[in-house]
Amino acid sequence: AQTVTQSQPEMSVQEAETVTLSCTYDTSESDYYLFWYKQPPSRQMILVIRQEAYKQQNATENRFSVNFQKAAKSFSLKISDSQLGDAAMYFCAYRSWRETSGSRLTFGEGTQLTVNP
Amino acid sequence: NAGVTQTPKFRVLKTGQSMTLLCAQDMNHEYMYWYRQDPGMGLRLIHYSVGEGTTAKGEVPDGYNVSRLKKQNFLLGLESAAPSQTSVYFCASSYLDRAYEQYFGPGTRLTVT
Repeated sequence: AQTVTQSQPEMSVQEAETVTLSCTYDTSESDYYLFWYKQPPSRQMILVIRQEAYKQQNATENRFSVNFQKAAKSFSLKISDSQLGDAAMYFCAYRSWRETSGSRLTFGEGTQLTVNP
Repeated sequence: NAGVTQTPKFRVLKTGQSMTLLCAQDMNHEYMYWYRQDPGMGLRLIHYSVGEGTTAKGEVPDGYNVSRLKKQNFLLGLESAAPSQTSVYFCASSYLDRAYEQYFGPGTRLTVT
């Protein structure tokens, strides 16, 4: 079974600075997806970024980028030019490439990000 | 499009009571999921469905039942609520051929006393 670990329960960053959230995972599969979801106080889960394991290039979405290290099974999220609206709980998630499990997501424990003005 | 909606948003139950949570999606998604979120544990999959009339167990299915009689609806039932089921419940859905992208509902906060 796959597991996802986020070792930082809480992180803080100054507005306009850069912060990196860590995620490691364990799997025996070679093909899979990795995600970062954002959950603001409204509780709504918002997809921030997605990475396909077969792609060597790191995914980027505006101020959000990932550092995907497949051999190390590491998937960190970098937020540049942090904004107050980035304050939220961030979840790392894993999904198998195969469809055998209804494409379920396996989530990490979450990292609470605080952005200080 | 309303996306994924959940009813109710909040509920308080007494131990032993039953209730049903309703999830509805208007995106014609084939796959639907129920997760629970507990502090420090992330989201865990309870049950899921890959199509109308089908359901399957996820990671933590005990104490819950589900039904998907219509493609757009996915119901989560608690037959005899227990304090351990106090949690925030999320429904999600996705397309069969784009199942890597799940759309989430706003969640239901359930407290069992």
